Amino acid sequence: GAVVSQHPSWVICKSGTSVKIECRSLDFQATTMFWYRQFPKQSLMLMATSNEGSKATYEQGVEKDKFLINHASLTLSTLTVTSAHPEDSSFYICSASNGGSSSGANVLTFGAGSRLTVL
Amino acid sequence: GQNIDQPTEMTATEGAIVQINCTYQTSGFNGLFWYQQHAGEAPTFLSYNVLDGLEEKGRFSSFLSRSKGYSYLLLKELQMKDSASYLCAVRDSNYQLIWGAGTKLIIKP
Repeated sequence: GAVVSQHPSWVICKSGTSVKIECRSLDFQATTMFWYRQFPKQSLMLMATSNEGSKATYEQGVEKDKFLINHASLTLSTLTVTSAHPEDSSFYICSASNGGSSSGANVLTFGAGSRLTVL
Repeated sequence: GQNIDQPTEMTATEGAIVQINCTYQTSGFNGLFWYQQHAGEAPTFLSYNVLDGLEEKGRFSSFLSRSKGYSYLLLKELQMKDSASYLCAVRDSNYQLIWGAGTKLIIKP
C-alpha cells in the first residue's frame, strides 16, 4: 500500500530558530500533499495544500511567510516553520493521496507526524 | 458553515460492541471517511462511504445516510488495542476534507 514518510518524528528547538519537516511519498507520486496541525485533544486542522511545481495554497489564518512550503518533486514536500515560537509547538502531519481507487475513495495516507516543541 | 459532530468520548468494555455516531452539515457531499488515531500517532484509514448503507470490513462497519447527514462506525468484539480516537471526515463539493474533532474511545477490561 501507499506509504508516506515524514521526518523528523520529533524536534525541540529554541525560540526564533527555523525547523524543516520533510514529507515523502515512498511508492507513489503525489502531485498534491496536505499539511495539517493538531493541538492536543483537538482535531486535524488543514494548514495548506502543497502542489508540485507551484505555490502552496494556504488556509485562512495560516501565515504563508511563517510556514514555508516547498513541493519541489512528485515525492517530496517540505514545511519550514520560520522563527518558531512556543505557540507553534504542535503535532504537524503531512498526507498524500495516491490518486484514488476503484471505489473513488482517494484515501489519504498520513505520515507519522512530527512533534515540534519550541522552548 | 460546515460542521461535523461526534461525541467527545465514549467508554466500552472489552469484547462488547460500540457505535460511534457522526452527523454532518457540509456544502455538498463527496464521501465520508473514518480514521483511527492512536495517541501521538498519525491517523490511519478505516472506511469510506459514498452511497447509503452499510460497509463491513472485519470487526468494523460503517453506515451512511446521506438524507439524514448521518454516519456511524460500529466496532464489534472490542479489543484493548481499539482504544484510540476515531475521526469522521466528510469531503465537500470542493473535494475538501472537513474533519470532526474525533471521539476518544476508552476500552475497559
